Amino acid sequence: DADVTQTPRNRITKTGKRIMLECSQTKGHDRMYWYRQDPGLGLRLIYYSFDVKDINKGEISDGYSVSRQAQAKFSLSLESAIPNQTALYFCATSDDLKPYEQYFGPGTRLTVT
Amino acid sequence: AQTVTQSQPEMSVQEAETVTLSCTYDTSENNYYLFWYKQPPSRQMILVIRQEAYKQQNATENRFSVNFQKAAKSFSLKISDSQLGDTAMYFCAFSPGNTGKLIFGQGTTLQVKP
Repeated sequence: DADVTQTPRNRITKTGKRIMLECSQTKGHDRMYWYRQDPGLGLRLIYYSFDVKDINKGEISDGYSVSRQAQAKFSLSLESAIPNQTALYFCATSDDLKPYEQYFGPGTRLTVT
Repeated sequence: AQTVTQSQPEMSVQEAETVTLSCTYDTSENNYYLFWYKQPPSRQMILVIRQEAYKQQNATENRFSVNFQKAAKSFSLKISDSQLGDTAMYFCAFSPGNTGKLIFGQGTTLQVKP
């Protein structure tokens, strides 16, 4: 079984809808991250969490919120989706001792129409 | 601001040949890590190679090696004996200190031709 899972893998939604992307990990890592990938821009950090009570904004947090329900779960929400949030979203995890060694989930392709 | 730049949007190479992908970065940090990630059509992010900034020796992983020039803030990836399975998007990434945050370049699409 995969160490880092994301649900859903693909999602099409309409402008204005609320949507949640979920990430779960079985690696026992404290740190979790959400990135979005856009063509020509690479991956950019949205939010990151060092533990359940420590959540931080990344480079592009506007329009997004997150919830760290447990050590193993980190969800990303779009309260009112807009078309320019159409992107590929990745969750990643890392251990405190090797924070640079990140393990990525398979990604969620989100399309906002 | 810390930035990573990949100036080659697309590259191609013949099977069995060698190709070099370029990456430059900008930082005032002295302690950091550099990475190359591969993203095949499956879109999975796969770590290819890692370099610690404090190490002068260039990292190697089988057919993959880097040329790390700290003073020039350059970090290129060399793929030797290119294989069809190397066809993918390649991302250069930088992680400052022990933050764990990754800063990515724009990516280079590599096509290996038979």
